[in-house]
Amino acid sequence: AAGVIQSPRHLIKEKRETATLKCYPIPRHDTVYWYQQGPGQDPQFLISFYEKMQSDKGSIPDRFSAQQFSDYHSELNMSSLELGDSALYFCASSFAGTGSGKGVDTQYFGPGTRLTVL
Amino acid sequence: DQQVKQNSPSLSVQEGRISILNCDYTNSMFDYFLWYKKYPAEGPTFLISISSIKDKNEDGRFTVFLNKSAKHLSLHIVPSQPGDSAVYFCAARVYGGSQGNLIFGKGTKLSVKP
Repeated sequence: AAGVIQSPRHLIKEKRETATLKCYPIPRHDTVYWYQQGPGQDPQFLISFYEKMQSDKGSIPDRFSAQQFSDYHSELNMSSLELGDSALYFCASSFAGTGSGKGVDTQYFGPGTRLTVL
Repeated sequence: DQQVKQNSPSLSVQEGRISILNCDYTNSMFDYFLWYKKYPAEGPTFLISISSIKDKNEDGRFTVFLNKSAKHLSLHIVPSQPGDSAVYFCAARVYGGSQGNLIFGKGTKLSVKP
């Protein structure tokens, strides 16, 4: 079965540079979530989009922005990168009101993008 | 303040035995709980979930129990297999609007020894 696709898998940037992470949700999923996981930490929710509109916002810095496009893929844009932005960035997708039996709004995660800021 | 707590950072179990992973939460508005398994360099993989209106959900070797009065849930794996060795995250959701984000615990590293 198709899973969530994230690109790139690894990204190395310098301080103050910008980065764009991409997420392609599972086909027919309409909701995308972004999470940040620092070393030894639990994933922290950043932002989510439902039907191309921002649906929820977590601990996302003002330097970050995101959007969901008409084909439901999402991009996380990160500017003025700082050393502390080095982390794993996960994208997850779900389908509202799924009848899959796995539970409503179960989020399925991509493999993550490892961002290293030097 | 950590709303979802996994107080055991690690657990070691013999193959064939039961693994019990515990999770406590503080927010009574959580309405849905999930367990994810994570291998190094991979994203969390959904395992099993439970709605707050239930107290048990079973899927093969995995069973999740929810005790709402104690704000506690647990994941039972029976029998444990070496391939189950991974970090297990408990996650909870507050239902808000049309979608809700997940709040994760810090994870428990399970090691199943042959």
